[in-house]
Amino acid sequence: DAGITQSPRHKVTETGTPVTLRCHQTENHRYMYWYRQDPGHGLRLIHYSYGVKDTDKGEVSDGYSVSRSKTEDFLLTLESATSSQTSVYFCAIGSEQRGAVADTQYFGPGTRLTVL
Amino acid sequence: KQEVTQIPAALSVPEGENLVLNCSFTDSAIYNLQWFRQDPGKGLTSLLLIQSSQREQTSGRLNASLDKSSGRSTLYIAASQPGDSATYLCAVLNTGNQFYFGTGTSLTVIP
Repeated sequence: DAGITQSPRHKVTETGTPVTLRCHQTENHRYMYWYRQDPGHGLRLIHYSYGVKDTDKGEVSDGYSVSRSKTEDFLLTLESATSSQTSVYFCAIGSEQRGAVADTQYFGPGTRLTVL
Repeated sequence: KQEVTQIPAALSVPEGENLVLNCSFTDSAIYNLQWFRQDPGKGLTSLLLIQSSQREQTSGRLNASLDKSSGRSTLYIAASQPGDSATYLCAVLNTGNQFYFGTGTSLTVIP
């Protein structure tokens, strides 16, 4: 299995508080992704990174920010959590088999976030 | 924007049956298509990856096909087993390095 860990695995927080989720990889892959998974919507991309300090928005980026200061770590921050951000968050890494294009994705175990 | 659809949303079959899961996508300009398996409360596990230039990939009892021009992929599972029960998701990789996922097919194999 690809070496991807997420922390915390479960978190309950209150509306308006900041929350940071961490994704750590041991594979030295350039691409890292944050998704949220909700019933009826499948997985939706929040942000992704294609290198240290290189990030871009996905389709549901509002209310989220990311940072990547090291290859192995990709942080997702909810600046002021809202109930609509209650979800399961998955981190993924992309192997690069064909140059500048992320190819196969490998997923972490997920973080279940509840915002009360 | 790429839209990925999976039909059916849920499927229940007796053990031993062969079955087909469907995935369709609206934009045929893809780099690849990937099938995943997700067990309840778990992350996603990659099953098969088909590059845009390929027509199919096989792994054990699984066979995935890709018809890029019509925007369709199928996942064929032979001789289904109760351990195959899970949700199966397909995802396409577009230009721009973004993956788009379907909402999945929940498969139950009845012993």
